[in-house]
Amino acid sequence: GQNIDQPTEMTATEGAIVQINCTYQTSGFNGLFWYQQHAGEAPTFLSYNVLDGLEEKGRFSSFLSRSKGYSYLLLKELQMKDSASYLCAASPLMRFGAGTRLTVKP
Amino acid sequence: NAGVTQTPKFQVLKTGQSMTLQCAQDMNHEYMSWYRQDPGMGLRLIHYSVGAGITDQGEVPNGYNVSRSTTEDFPLRLLSAAPSQTSVYFCASSQANLGNNEQFFGPGTRLTVL
Repeated sequence: GQNIDQPTEMTATEGAIVQINCTYQTSGFNGLFWYQQHAGEAPTFLSYNVLDGLEEKGRFSSFLSRSKGYSYLLLKELQMKDSASYLCAASPLMRFGAGTRLTVKP
Repeated sequence: NAGVTQTPKFQVLKTGQSMTLQCAQDMNHEYMSWYRQDPGMGLRLIHYSVGAGITDQGEVPNGYNVSRSTTEDFPLRLLSAAPSQTSVYFCASSQANLGNNEQFFGPGTRLTVL
C-alpha cells in the first residue's frame, strides 16, 4: 500500500529552527518532494531528494533516509512568512501527505 | 510566461450538472496532472498525462474524465456532479518525467456541488 504520514500542526517562534517529519511507505519509490502552500494558494516546490542525506538550500534543508522511509524538512531562522502548510510527496506516483500546518509566532 | 492557468476560479454546481475545468500551460511541459485537495487529506491525484494524446488514471479517477489533444491544454470534465466532488482542484505541469521533476501548480478552482 501507499502511506505518507506527517504531523498535522506545529508551532514555532520567529528566529527559531523547526523540523517537519515525513514517513512514507510506498512501492516503487523514486524520491521525496517537499512543497510549501500558503493558505488559499497553490503549492510551490521547495526540494526533491533522491539520495540519502541532507540537501541544503538557503534557510531550508531536506533530509532523506531511504532505508528508514523517512524524510524531514528543516527550516532555520524562521520568519513570519514561513507560516504555511508543508506537504511531502513520494514519487513517482506523487502520493501526498495531508500536510503540516506551521504557525510562526513572534 | 503565464505559467499554469486555470478557469474558473470559483464554481457552484447543482447535483447532476456537468462542467469542464480548464487548465493551460505555456511552458511546453509534457506532463500535466489534476489533483483535488480536501481538508485533512492532502492532494490526491485524479488523472495525469505524459504527453498529447496520452492520459492515465491517478488515485481517485471516478467521476472525472480528461483528454489531452494539445501539449498546452488539459481539461477536466465532471460528467454528473455530486456533493462528494466539492473540493479545490489544482492542475499542475512538469517538464518531463512526473516523478522526478518539480511540478508547477495553477491557482486552483474552488468547486461547490449543492
